[in-house]
Amino acid sequence: NAGVTQTPKFQVLKTGQSMTLQCAQDMNHNSMYWYRQDPGMGLRLIYYSASEGTTDKGEVPNGYNVSRLNKREFSLRLESAAPSQTSVYFCASSDQTGGGNLYEQYFGPGTRLTVT
Amino acid sequence: SQKIEQNSEALNIQEGKTATLTCNYTNYSPAYLQWYRQDPGRGPVFLLLIRENEKEKRKERLKVTFDTTLKQSLFHITASQPADSATYLCAPLRRDSNYQLIWGAGTKLIIKP
Repeated sequence: NAGVTQTPKFQVLKTGQSMTLQCAQDMNHNSMYWYRQDPGMGLRLIYYSASEGTTDKGEVPNGYNVSRLNKREFSLRLESAAPSQTSVYFCASSDQTGGGNLYEQYFGPGTRLTVT
Repeated sequence: SQKIEQNSEALNIQEGKTATLTCNYTNYSPAYLQWYRQDPGRGPVFLLLIRENEKEKRKERLKVTFDTTLKQSLFHITASQPADSATYLCAPLRRDSNYQLIWGAGTKLIIKP
């Protein structure tokens, strides 16, 4: 199993450009998440999808949109990139169906995005 | 607002000693709390989960405590090794949510040979 995969690994954008970050998981998890991580700060939730067909805003959703394409895939779109969106973006997934480690999250390797 | 605090300064420990990391939370009472490890350039990796009705949880050389009165969790690594060097993140469940965690900024642990 590959776990959680993200593409691309690195990206440089100019202000105003758009792009989509792709995420896929092969663990049959119901829930998926997009986070951003900035130096000296904790991970901040951008959007999440509790189950296929649903998406909800997290702590910092402004400037982003998401699509839960199917159970495996959850994409994050920046419509008009801004320098403040320079960050490392992580996708994660979790299984909500019980077990000893409820809601344990599995993370992808991250996308390092720079907006100039 | 719900807030998480972890030691922002790096913690330097001699190999073989016990490392203790602190996570304090304010303005709420989480139903459970998770600890993750993050290596440079990689995503966090889950280590342990502890529920509010559990005082202590162990996994091999790792131990987590959860004091709901002090609003604090402690994370211990016994017989520490240089390979334990990483940043450790505390993540309590967000109040009124089944899915959202609140993340601390993490404490960088350095184990010296």
